[in-house]
Amino acid sequence: QLQLQESGPGLVKPSETLSLTCTVSGGSISSSSYYWGWIRQPPGKGLEWIGSIYYSGSTYYNPSLKSRVTISVDTSKNQFSLKLSSVTAADTAVYYCASHIRYGDWYFDLWGRGTLVTVSS
Amino acid sequence: SSELTQDPAVSVALGQTVRITCQGDSLRSYYASWYQQKPGQAPVLVIYGKNNRPSGIPDRFSGSSSGNTASLTITGAQAEDEADYYCNSRDSSGNHLAVFGGGTQLTVL
Repeated sequence: QLQLQESGPGLVKPSETLSLTCTVSGGSISSSSYYWGWIRQPPGKGLEWIGSIYYSGSTYYNPSLKSRVTISVDTSKNQFSLKLSSVTAADTAVYYCASHIRYGDWYFDLWGRGTLVTVSS
Repeated sequence: SSELTQDPAVSVALGQTVRITCQGDSLRSYYASWYQQKPGQAPVLVIYGKNNRPSGIPDRFSGSSSGNTASLTITGAQAEDEADYYCNSRDSSGNHLAVFGGGTQLTVL
């Protein structure tokens, strides 16, 4: 059974870079059918798609975050990662990793539990 | 980029039927998917495609679409259905983008 698990620091200082990793277990990240994505949710607010990556390394980013976001994949470790630079308090959120189908409609069928990242000095 | 618009809050009497809607231009090209999120938990996919339910989702959840509007219907709402519901679709601009609606808080009375 495929599972996703986020990991990384829960506290990041303003202007620094937020770094998170999602570990895929119970299956291969090198599936030809799936993209692997990051989604965030500020406290008390809605969901925001950050970006997605294919196992080959192709990436797609939310235009509103594109200048600060890098998503990468490590197939040898069955992991993909998120880096968000120059963070501010507005980047405080629960960050989820999720898988979505590569073709047609993009629906996120499997989610990690999420990890809260607080931006504060 | 596309936007998806949802009513912020909806209420339904226990056992009655409720429809939650989502509007956006991308829905003319792609089906919406729907997610249920309870406090402190990750979202769970409840409807995808034309009207498909993942394994384990009760059949009281159904989806439909017309023009630029997608709907999630709960027929015979239960107390455990009280949650936030989000719609999502792929952006229709030709770029590989995803977009979420702002969410609807469902209260079961």
